[in-house]
Amino acid sequence: QVQLVESGGGVVQPGRSLRLSCVASGFTFRNFGMHWVRQAPGKGLEWVAVIYYDGSNSYYADSVKGRFTISRDNSKSTIYLHMNSLRAEDTAVYYCARDRSRWTDWWGQGTLVTVSS
Amino acid sequence: QSVLTQPPSVSAAPGQKVTISCSGSSSNMGNNFVSWYRQFPGAAPEVLIYDNDKRPSGIPDRFSGSKSGTSATLGITGLQTGDEADYYCGTWDSSLIVLFGGGTKLTVL
Repeated sequence: QVQLVESGGGVVQPGRSLRLSCVASGFTFRNFGMHWVRQAPGKGLEWVAVIYYDGSNSYYADSVKGRFTISRDNSKSTIYLHMNSLRAEDTAVYYCARDRSRWTDWWGQGTLVTVSS
Repeated sequence: QSVLTQPPSVSAAPGQKVTISCSGSSSNMGNNFVSWYRQFPGAAPEVLIYDNDKRPSGIPDRFSGSKSGTSATLGITGLQTGDEADYYCGTWDSSLIVLFGGGTKLTVL
């Protein structure tokens, strides 16, 4: 059974950094691209970033470009989201999701990031 | 605002049919497939439709999808109270960036 488990969320002050992790199981991780998608409280889904199956390419939403970095370690079946210069508007539940070339089929349960002083 | 436009809310009675629209542009929906997601409160999204009109295994045929040009539609027949949720459309754009619609809240009256 496919499983995605996010961790690393918490309360962080504006301007600080945080790293999220997403551990995958139940499938051949190195064969799939992976996404981060976030959802601010009471708001809709906002795509954040995608990384190719082999880590060769990644793309970002304009709202996080230059501040966030997506990476992966295929030996650990894990993707990461390194978030720098955090802002109040980055407060959200962050989901990781498996890519199926144009859509996402499995999602984790999310980890909450709160940016507040 | 989201690049993909959805109505904020739709409603219909149990047993009836409802459609949810999603409007984009030639740089995104016009040249790429559309997917649809359902999200219950407090839960992660789940895919209902992919590649415009395909259903993953386990999704009943009460759910259907279509696309024409730069617009897509999700249809749900035989509405049940358990269908009350938020629904999102998604696609890619020419910059290989994923886009989601703003979401539509479905109420089954």
